[in-house]
Amino acid sequence: SQQGEEDPQALSIQEGENATMNCSYKTSINNLQWYRQNSGRGLVHLILIRSNEREKHSGRLRVTLDTSKKSSSLLITASRAADTASYFCATDANGNNRLAFGKGNQVVVIP
Amino acid sequence: EAQVTQNPRYLITVTGKKLTVTCSQNMNHEYMSWYRQDPGLGLRQIYYSMNVEVTDKGDVPEGYKVSRKEKRNFPLILESPSPNQTSLYFCASSLSSGEQGNEQYFGPGTRLTVT
Repeated sequence: SQQGEEDPQALSIQEGENATMNCSYKTSINNLQWYRQNSGRGLVHLILIRSNEREKHSGRLRVTLDTSKKSSSLLITASRAADTASYFCATDANGNNRLAFGKGNQVVVIP
Repeated sequence: EAQVTQNPRYLITVTGKKLTVTCSQNMNHEYMSWYRQDPGLGLRQIYYSMNVEVTDKGDVPEGYKVSRKEKRNFPLILESPSPNQTSLYFCASSLSSGEQGNEQYFGPGTRLTVT
């Protein structure tokens, strides 16, 4: 199955700054999802963006999708210490819920 | 409260001793899945189930079994665990396995160590 890959792998920022993460994938998709994982805990769904959508917002999160470049970005605005976590993108090729996860982005927000 | 529960949360066992990790969801979800998470490899799907009595292999099914006799439960069985199955395991569920895809709800994880 295809796999998303995030870039950069690790990011350290000051509280209040914006954090941007990118994800690339190899084949066509039905949707792409972003998840957050706090250390050693279960993943929490953040946003799902479908292949016919280009941008989606949820609170301080903004996700874009460029299917021509097979890439997506996650922007966290006005970061907080509580945003410290790993962020994963996951692609669903056929809309059947089979997700292929990237290796994750470690984000550290320094208070 | 809508949730996915897993038990046990932590388990240390020895090679060859059969074990079962339970997973239960209270959201009437059709789709359930098991993943393992290893450093540097991300999450990889072990098995998934589209509905009751319907299961299929994911990307890394070797050494694992599952069953889906009831909608809410999806246990993961390791018949003869080996050290390379030491990992962090997650169960997840989703509303349906239709054509649109849906967000997945994850359990808290089970950390398994096989010595």
